Amino acid sequence: DAGVIQSPRHEVTEMGQEVTLRCKPISGHDYLFWYRQTMMRGLELLIYFNNNVPIDDSGMPEDRFSAKMPNASFSTLKIQPSEPRDSAVYFCASSWGRGVGNQPQHFGDGTRLSIL
Amino acid sequence: AQKVTQAQTEISVVEKEDVTLDCVYETRDTTYYLFWYKQPPSGELVFLIRRNSFDEQNEISGRYSWNFQKSTSSFNFTITASQVVDSAVYFCALEASNTGKLIFGQGTTLQVKP
Repeated sequence: DAGVIQSPRHEVTEMGQEVTLRCKPISGHDYLFWYRQTMMRGLELLIYFNNNVPIDDSGMPEDRFSAKMPNASFSTLKIQPSEPRDSAVYFCASSWGRGVGNQPQHFGDGTRLSIL
Repeated sequence: AQKVTQAQTEISVVEKEDVTLDCVYETRDTTYYLFWYKQPPSGELVFLIRRNSFDEQNEISGRYSWNFQKSTSSFNFTITASQVVDSAVYFCALEASNTGKLIFGQGTTLQVKP
């Protein structure tokens, strides 16, 4: 089975540009999570969806960040305008249910974002 | 507040040594889940184990074992006879039952030298 697929793997862009990160969760999974990993803050949850509906976006740093999940097989995380401090690795993860059996969150390979 | 603490920032061992990675958590929930993930140098996050708060049985999987003790709020991870391929950053994480959110520790970087 295909795992969580993220694109692009690497993104380098200039400050002020719009950045869009994409994620395809594992088929059948009903939860989708966006995380950010930095040296200073470690791994932190930005937002998560259940059945395509945003449940908790308290981790989204500011209004420049937005996330959507138009259908069960696709999600985007957008940064507009981007700033150098947004440079990080962004992970998408998905899971089936919550608290059901042994269902962990499965992570994509991440998008390494560099804002110059 | 919920929190995960991995006090060991970096550990270096020689191949074939046993090594234990510590994890201490804080939560007021009675139902919660604990996880370990591995992040090798290639960067992906690999799921290792998930335990719920009602199951304190220790678990062994090959060279890996986990010791869950609610009395000390700890969920430690031991690698027996370490190998160079075990070199990675290991993260402990907590999921509270009503949120679905994973709270990660800061990670422990394990270096296994040949």
